[in-house]
Amino acid sequence: TQLLEQSPQFLSIQEGENLTVYCNSSSVFSSLQWYRQEPGEGPVLLVTVVTGGEVKKLKRLTFQFGDARKDSSLHITAAQTGDTGLYLCAGAGGSGNTGKLIFGQGTTLQVKP
Amino acid sequence: DSGVTQTPKHLITATGQRVTLRCSPRSGDLSVYWYQQSLDQGLQFLIQYYNGEERAKGNILERFSAQQFPDLHSELNLSSLELGDSALYFCASSRRGSNEKLFFGSGTQLSVL
Repeated sequence: TQLLEQSPQFLSIQEGENLTVYCNSSSVFSSLQWYRQEPGEGPVLLVTVVTGGEVKKLKRLTFQFGDARKDSSLHITAAQTGDTGLYLCAGAGGSGNTGKLIFGQGTTLQVKP
Repeated sequence: DSGVTQTPKHLITATGQRVTLRCSPRSGDLSVYWYQQSLDQGLQFLIQYYNGEERAKGNILERFSAQQFPDLHSELNLSSLELGDSALYFCASSRRGSNEKLFFGSGTQLSVL
């Protein structure tokens, strides 16, 4: 069974601080996605990483895929209150040609002004 | 707005009852996915349909069933409801169905009393 473990589960920081969220597995994933979810809404895709060692930047967010494609991290620089939300990593799982995703438990981020 | 429409937004029912959740995918998307999100289990993949046919199955209970109609909308049927079925049910869609970007609806909050 493929599992994704996210850490930390909860993070409360002041505006302007940096943070890193980790997503780890013992399984190899063909790709890994990061989503952000706000209360009352569905998850929204932030980025997809495919190649081992890949680094992608989205403004103040930096995403990295581990060399072995088993882990990933999300780093936020100078967090803002608008970054508050639930961050989810998801790995493409299952065999064959499907879009089944395996999600981590999520990291709830609160950025205080 | 993701373009994925889910109805109803909230549903309150009693144990033993049966409910139907409805999802309209984004225009042109052929794949529909159903996910269940609960506090203890996180976001879990239930089932995927591609162009009317079942493509992948996850942790879906036998009391639950789904289908995708010729117009590509999908319904998730939950029967013999138990207290533990209370959760947020999300529908997502994608253009085809293989490791693609998923667009999530806003979910149906099901409360079983």
